[in-house]
Formats: sequence, structure tokens, C-alpha cells
Amino acid sequence: DVQMTQSPSYLAASPGESVSISCKASKSINTYLAWYQEKPGITNKLLIYSGSTLPSGTPSRFSGSGSGTDFTLTIRSLEPEDFAVYYCQQHNEYPLTFGSGTKLEIK
Amino acid sequence: QVQLQQSGTELVKPASSVKISCKASGYSFTSNYMHWIRQQTGNGLEWIGWIYPGNGNTKYNEKFDGKATLTADKSSSTGYMQLSSLTSEDSAVYFCARSPNGYVMDDWGQGVSVTVSS
Repeated sequence: DVQMTQSPSYLAASPGESVSISCKASKSINTYLAWYQEKPGITNKLLIYSGSTLPSGTPSRFSGSGSGTDFTLTIRSLEPEDFAVYYCQQHNEYPLTFGSGTKLEIK
Repeated sequence: QVQLQQSGTELVKPASSVKISCKASGYSFTSNYMHWIRQQTGNGLEWIGWIYPGNGNTKYNEKFDGKATLTADKSSSTGYMQLSSLTSEDSAVYFCARSPNGYVMDDWGQGVSVTVSS
């Protein structure tokens, strides 16, 4: 199975700042990486797929980059609603696997 | 809009089985995959498998072979997951999710908490 390693596990930032979250795969997954947002009381949201593609509804302050084994989620100019847990997921092969999550907290 | 409404909290005994549901609306149930995902307390997300309701095809994570059985009822646009031979390790929140391609989960249900305890 492809192991997905996210870092950091916790990240504190202030509204208006920019942050980056890393996701590393144990082998090449081409560009097949998705990012999800988890918030209490709201269903999980798909933010990015195929490494850098934003589905409709994802604000443009979110961006994804990377290929092969190294990927990054960047959030520019944090809004209050962005403080949440973020997961990466490889969608290159089965079984689909997720990172362990990054909790983004307000500083 | 797409909605995936999951059934309620379950408290079940060890060695028993449980069947949880996910009622879909707002999209073509038979033309999308339905994934199931496990989240144990303090742990991340684990993919269990998917079912394609259009033809009943399933694909499982080998880790859940024999543990989870996925079915779907086209007449009610509802997906089901049965978990068998339950142990405390099966205590978790279980999510369903819609996927147009079998790989990326576009929409998620709210999750069902399953607690296995005597």
C-alpha cells in the first residue's frame, strides 16, 4: 500500500497569513493527489484533486502543487473558516490511502 | 444539491453484526460510486471499499475483506455497509462518499458512530 505522510501534524497561524502543508507518498503517485477539509458539524469537503485541480466551490486562495512523491497544499491569506483539519489522499492506485491529517489552528 | 444521509449512532455487542445505511439524493445514484471510509478515534481515514450501484460491482481494501460487505438498493438510492464479527477495534466513525470515478470523493455523508461494547 502507498503510505502517505503529512506534515506538520499541527499548525498555528493567524488570519491573513499563508500556510503550507506537505504530503509525501512512499512511492510515485504521478499527480494523483487529493486534499480534503474536515470541520466539526460539516461534511468533509473535497478541496483539490489531481494535485492541483480545484473543483467548483473551492476558493482560489487554496492551491495544490507537486508530482511524484512530494505534494503541497497552500492556503493564501487565511480566512476564519479555513481553520480545520486537512487530509491528503492518493488516488493513483488501490487501496486508496490517506495522510494522517494536519490540524490548522488559530494562533 | 448532493446529499448523503447516513443512519444513526450504533451501540452493538462484540461478535455481532451491524448494517449502516447511506441514502443518496441530488445525483444519479446508479452512475456514481459509493465509497465507505473508516475513522477510528485519534486516527486518520481508512478506505474500506466502494460499490457501483449501477451494476453492483464492488472493490474492497484487502484489510476489510470478510469484515465489510457493501450493497446498494437502486429503488431507494441507498447504500449499505454490513460489518460482521465486531470487536472493539471496529469502534469508529464510518463515512459514505460519492465518487464519479472511483478514486476521488466528491461528497461525503455526515458519518455514523459505531461503538462495540458489551
